[in-house]
Amino acid sequence: NAGVTQTPKFRILKIGQSMTLQCTQDMNHNYMYWYRQDPGMGLKLIYYSVGAGITDKGEVPNGYNVSRSTTEDFPLRLELAAPSQTSVYFCASSYFSLSSYNSPLHFGNGTRLTVT
Amino acid sequence: ELKVEQNPLFLSMQEGKNYTIYCNYSTTSDRLYWYRQDPGKSLESLFVLLSNGAVKQEGRLMASLDTKARLSTLHITAAVHDLSATYFCAVGLSGAGSYQLTFGKGTKLSVIP
Repeated sequence: NAGVTQTPKFRILKIGQSMTLQCTQDMNHNYMYWYRQDPGMGLKLIYYSVGAGITDKGEVPNGYNVSRSTTEDFPLRLELAAPSQTSVYFCASSYFSLSSYNSPLHFGNGTRLTVT
Repeated sequence: ELKVEQNPLFLSMQEGKNYTIYCNYSTTSDRLYWYRQDPGKSLESLFVLLSNGAVKQEGRLMASLDTKARLSTLHITAAVHDLSATYFCAVGLSGAGSYQLTFGKGTKLSVIP
């Protein structure tokens, strides 16, 4: 199994450009998440999904959009990129809700995004 | 708002020494996770602690949880270079119809030969 796969690994955007960060998982997990990690900081939740067709905002959703048309895929779209969105983005998944017994997150390898 | 504080944020230690990383959190929670992140890599789950007094060990790492003190510790025994990484604690909390994790800032551990 590949687990959680993110593409691209690196990307440089100019201010105002748009892009989509791809995330796919092959573990048949219901729950998927997007986090961003700024230098020297913990991860902050951008959006999450509890199943196909259902998404919800996390702690820092402004400037981002998501969709969940299939169980496997959870793309994150940046519209009108800004320097404040320079960060490392991690997609993660879990089979059960995080409130269930022993349901840790499985993370992808991250996308390093720079907006200049 | 749940706040999670780790200390120290940076730790340089010699091989063979013992040390402890602390994770304090501000609101009652029912679980706490420890993750490891190698430079440029993703996060890997180490432990999940579910109850007061819970202790889990894997190799040279031992994690414990004191829910009354809202404190978790990650103890490193006889450190080796391979343990060099950033360690994050994450605390779970229900709210607004969902269950979320709040991460600490991480402790960057460097083990010097």
